[in-house]
Amino acid sequence: EVQLVESGGGVVHPGGSLRLSCAASGFIFNTYWMSWVRQAPGKGLEWVASIKEDGNEEVYVDYVKGRFTVSRDNAKNSLFLQMHSLRAEDTAVYYCVKGVYTMLTGHYFDNWGQGTLVTVSS
Amino acid sequence: SYELTQPPSVSVSPGQTARITCSGDALPKQYAFWYQQKPGQAPVLVMKKDIERPSGTPERFSGSSSGTTVILTISAVQAEDEADYYCQSADSSGTFWVFGGGTRLTVL
Repeated sequence: EVQLVESGGGVVHPGGSLRLSCAASGFIFNTYWMSWVRQAPGKGLEWVASIKEDGNEEVYVDYVKGRFTVSRDNAKNSLFLQMHSLRAEDTAVYYCVKGVYTMLTGHYFDNWGQGTLVTVSS
Repeated sequence: SYELTQPPSVSVSPGQTARITCSGDALPKQYAFWYQQKPGQAPVLVMKKDIERPSGTPERFSGSSSGTTVILTISAVQAEDEADYYCQSADSSGTFWVFGGGTRLTVL
């Protein structure tokens, strides 16, 4: 059974930093793209960042580029999201998501963690 | 930036058919995927590659595609289908991914 368990959320001041972690199990971690998707309170889903199986390619939504960095440790089956220069609008539940990505299928998200809440507030 | 457009809400009575649309300029080139999210829960994939049901998705869920619009159809809607539904796809280059704004399905 696929399990994705996020941690690291909390309250941070505007301009601050936070590092989210995701512990993955139940699948061969280093053969899947992994992503972070967020959901602001009462709002819809928003794709944030994705990273290739070997960690050699990262993709970001425009408004987090330069502030957020996605990384992974395949030896430890772990995914990370380092967030800097946080803004109030970054307040959201952040989901760790396992992806399926091929030229034939496109990229979709077949397993989700339960999410970790990041609150940016003074 | 690329956008997918969904109606904010759809309401149907139990046993009726619900149709949720998702429109986007790149949909003729890119597959669409659908997720169901119930209150307080993480999203669950219910449709992939426009028309394919993942294992575990009830047969009353079906998908279709026509030009720049994809449709998630739920036949014989049940109370347990009440949820938010999100479509997801990629921009025309296939390198950025986006969700629609979501549709709240209310079962009257």
